[in-house]
Amino acid sequence: GAVVSQHPSRVICKSGTSVKIECRSLDFQATTMFWYRQFPKQSLMLMATSNEGSKATYEQGVEKDKFLINHASLTLSTLTVTSAHPEDSSFYICSASDSHNSPLHFGNGTRLTVT
Amino acid sequence: EDQVTQSPEALRLQEGESSSLNCSYTVSGLRGLFWYRQDPGKGPEFLFTLYSAGEEKEKERLKATLTKKESFLHITAPKPEDSATYLCAALGDKIIFGKGTRLHILP
Repeated sequence: GAVVSQHPSRVICKSGTSVKIECRSLDFQATTMFWYRQFPKQSLMLMATSNEGSKATYEQGVEKDKFLINHASLTLSTLTVTSAHPEDSSFYICSASDSHNSPLHFGNGTRLTVT
Repeated sequence: EDQVTQSPEALRLQEGESSSLNCSYTVSGLRGLFWYRQDPGKGPEFLFTLYSAGEEKEKERLKATLTKKESFLHITAPKPEDSATYLCAALGDKIIFGKGTRLHILP
């Protein structure tokens, strides 16, 4: 089955620093990847849609200069949280699909804690 | 506006007590209905895809069904290891997730 790998699984950083999260599709090519944020006991909140070779499309209210997304290849997308603050602490999850009508397959998420 | 609503928000069952989770959707041009299981601290795990009304899919103790307005996830004789949050998502122009049902199976 389709496997999506996400790293790191946990990261603790100091306020003001930047953190990069990687998302890879291991056994399929993903022209589109999605980045979600999830608060405790809440559902998934779509942050942005990332298309290979083009700029990401951000959802309303998501700061594109704060959450930098790069989708440099068909198997890799990265999310960089720049100048992180404690309110950015959350669970970030990436997902990908191999075609438009296929289900999304998710990484195992990254727990970000900003101190 | 496209919408996906799941009910109940939370459900506690005794081991072996069968039940159903509901996912109501209002999506124009539905291209697929997906069910996921999410364990705490993990990403959602894909369970089923349903593409058309009347379709059913089964996997172990789980069976997913689809009508033109809603989908059900039936769980038969659940075990404690079935405890998780179950998410449904509808794919129209874009994929929309429900808020999930937190299922807790008591031994």
